[in-house]
Amino acid sequence: GEDVEQSLFLSVREGDSSVINCTYTDSSSTYLYWYKQEPGAGLQLLTYIFSNMDMKQDQRLTVLLNKKDKHLSLRIADTQTGDSAIYFCAASGGSYIPTFGRGTSLIVHP
Amino acid sequence: DAGVIQSPRHEVTEMGQEVTLRCKPISGHDYLFWYRQTMMRGLELLIYFNNNVPIDDSGMPEDRFSAKMPNASFSTLKIQPSEPRDSAVYFCASSSRGNQPQHFGDGTRLSIL
Repeated sequence: GEDVEQSLFLSVREGDSSVINCTYTDSSSTYLYWYKQEPGAGLQLLTYIFSNMDMKQDQRLTVLLNKKDKHLSLRIADTQTGDSAIYFCAASGGSYIPTFGRGTSLIVHP
Repeated sequence: DAGVIQSPRHEVTEMGQEVTLRCKPISGHDYLFWYRQTMMRGLELLIYFNNNVPIDDSGMPEDRFSAKMPNASFSTLKIQPSEPRDSAVYFCASSSRGNQPQHFGDGTRLSIL
């Protein structure tokens, strides 16, 4: 089945860009997602990209997809303290049901 | 629009007791998912339903866990008897199709003493 890997922690300074990386194993994955989880809340969909796209931009968020390397990244420009949260990558492979990574805790310090 | 609604938000009970978690998916969504989140294991898919029918329950940890979806607007996850290691945050999510974005509820934080 699908396996999705992310690093567990990322620390950045306020105002800098954050880049959260994710790798997946199933080359047939059609949809790739980024979710954000704030303390005490459920996962909230941030953005998603279809496998026939290389890039998607939405305000401060940029998603890059490298299908050859099965690598997905989420870039947050001008990172703010309110961006501190856990970010989950998810990929829908052959089963079509998304598999989630362990999540990356983004810590933004002044 | 109302999102996915879970109840209760918090549950504290003693081991051996029966626990029932409830979920109301978004109207019109055909898929419903139950997840468990812990520090040690991250987010685990327990079971999911399509059109009220359980499709994959391979993530259900033990026979003590059971889930039902009697109609399109309601699902339960039951643990009987509960054990301290069941302590976790349980999430319900729904989606319009299997590979479409899932919408999550705010979760039930379960503590078994």
